[in-house]
Amino acid sequence: KAGVTQTPRYLIKTRGQQVTLSCSPISGHRSVSWYQQTPGQGLQFLFEYFSETQRNKGNFPGRFSGRQFSNSRSEMNVSTLELGDSALYLCASSLGPSSNEQFFGPGTRLTVL
Amino acid sequence: GQQLNQSPQSMFIQEGEDVSMNCTSSSIFNTWLWYKQDPGEGPVLLIALYKAGELTSNGRLTAQFGITRKDSFLNISASIPSDVGIYFCAGHLGFIIQGAQKLVFGQGTRLTINP
Repeated sequence: KAGVTQTPRYLIKTRGQQVTLSCSPISGHRSVSWYQQTPGQGLQFLFEYFSETQRNKGNFPGRFSGRQFSNSRSEMNVSTLELGDSALYLCASSLGPSSNEQFFGPGTRLTVL
Repeated sequence: GQQLNQSPQSMFIQEGEDVSMNCTSSSIFNTWLWYKQDPGEGPVLLIALYKAGELTSNGRLTAQFGITRKDSFLNISASIPSDVGIYFCAGHLGFIIQGAQKLVFGQGTRLTINP
């Protein structure tokens, strides 16, 4: 069974631009969570989607948004990029919102210049 | 966000040595997970623990779910070069707190092995 895939793997953007990241969960998994990982802050929860609905959202500004499609694929969008948005963005999939095991993708490395 | 207290933060060992790391929290979790992350990659799930007192092995890795449900440890026996990486513990609350993640992560233990 294929794992979680994320595209693109690397992105370089400049301040003020926007970016869209994509995540395809493991086949059969319907819940997708997004995390931001930085050396100083560790893994920070962004949001979780299930059945095309956002079930929970972390403490991030409104510039961070996401959505989920009917095939469980998910995208996250960051608008008006800031230097501090440089991070590894990780997507994790699980069977459903009550499932305790989350499986991570390889991440998208975003660099904001 | 919430964090678990994971220790040690880093370890420098010789190949063949055993490794032990642990996580503690003031919160009770209903699941403990241990992940390994290689540079530039996402965390890979190593072991999942579901019951207090549970001891589970995966090859040379052994992890335990603490009796109080507030802690867990991971042991690696006879370390080899490919064990190098960052190990994360994660505790699952089992319920949703709006604005908070239900999977809470430790800060990681960076393992370095001298051949």
